[in-house]
Parts: sequence; C-alpha cells; structure tokens
Amino acid sequence: EIVLTQSPGTLSLSPGERATLSCRASQSVSNIKFAWYQQKVGQAPRVLIYAASSRATGIPDRFSGSGSGTDFTLTISRLEPEDFAVYYCHQYGSPPYTFGQGTKLEIK
Amino acid sequence: QVQLVQSGAEVKKPGASVKVSCKASGYTFTGYYIFWVRQAPGQGLEWMGWINPNSGGTNYAQKFQGWVTMTRDTSITTAYMELTSLTSDATAVYYCARGETAGYSSTWLYHWGQGTLVTVSS
Repeated sequence: EIVLTQSPGTLSLSPGERATLSCRASQSVSNIKFAWYQQKVGQAPRVLIYAASSRATGIPDRFSGSGSGTDFTLTISRLEPEDFAVYYCHQYGSPPYTFGQGTKLEIK
Repeated sequence: QVQLVQSGAEVKKPGASVKVSCKASGYTFTGYYIFWVRQAPGQGLEWMGWINPNSGGTNYAQKFQGWVTMTRDTSITTAYMELTSLTSDATAVYYCARGETAGYSSTWLYHWGQGTLVTVSS
C-alpha cells in the first residue's frame, strides 16, 4: 500500500498570500495518477487537480499542481477567503488507492 | 447532469449490518466505476474500494475485506455498500463517488454523493 504523508498538518496564512502544500508518497506513484481534493466542513470533497497537474473543470487558475514520482505539490497562488479548508492528496495508480491525512489551511 | 444521491442517515447497534445506497443519474450507469470512501468524525478520507457496475466486479481495501460488500442493481442505476458486524469504529460518513474516466478504475473522483452518516451505538 502506498502511504501518502502530507505536510504541514496545519498551515496558517492570510488572504492574498501564497500557499504551498506538500505530499510525499512511500513509493513512486505510477503514471502520475495523483489528485488533490478540497473539503469544506459538512461537504463532500471536490477535486481540484488530477494527473498531478491538470486542473479539474471549473477550478480557478490560482490552483496549480506539480510533481512526479514520490513528491507532489499543490500551490494556491493568491489565497481567497473561500480557499480556507482541508486539502487531501490521493493516489489512484496502485490499489488500494489511498489518501493523505490532510492539510488544514486556516486563516491567520 | 451527473448526480449521485445517497440514502439517509442510519443508527445501528454493535453487531448489526448496514446497507447504504447510491442512486446514479445523468449518465450511463454501467460505464463508470463507483467508489466508496469513508470519513470518521474529525478524521481524514479513507478509500474502501470500488465496483464495476458493468460486470459487478469489485476491489476492496484489505482492511475492509470480509466485512464489506459492494453490489449494484443496473435496472435502477443504484450501487450499494453493505457493512456487517458493525463496531463503534464504523461510525463515519460514507461517500460514494464516480470515477471520471469511463471504463477505468484507475481514475480520479469528480462526482460525489452527499454522504451518509452511519452511527454505531449501543
């Protein structure tokens, strides 16, 4: 099983700042089958990025993903108030498909 | 538009079973895998497995093998997830989600159900 470890656990930033979230996999993720999700309280997750760097339909271009192999990054270029939420990374290349433990992005 | 509508909240006693449904609409049900993901209170997302609605084939995370069963009824475009021998550790919100790439299990999840809260308590 591929274990995904996200860092930091909590990130405190202000609107307008840049956010960088990391996810490290215990083994190489095949064919960059890697996604990022955003989850707000009481809601289902929403996919932001798939295939490591492709933005999902309707996702603003301030969200970007990068990485390959075992190291992946989600960057939010300029935080908006609605971006404060929990973010999860996800690998869907090798079953069992796994999620990271989450990074909480909170308002400073 | 694609919709996944799940059944309502359940309260179960330890040792009981629960069956959560996921009614799909707006697309060809047999064309896309259905995944189940759970989230314990205050915790992260946990991948449980998938079902191929076309063949009925399944793949479960090892943790859930032996006590989860995923099925589907193509006549009513509904997927089901049943958990048996419930303990308090099973208290969670259970989500169904649709794979985005037709016919593939190795895909990200774009469409999600609203979640079903299952509470196990004596």
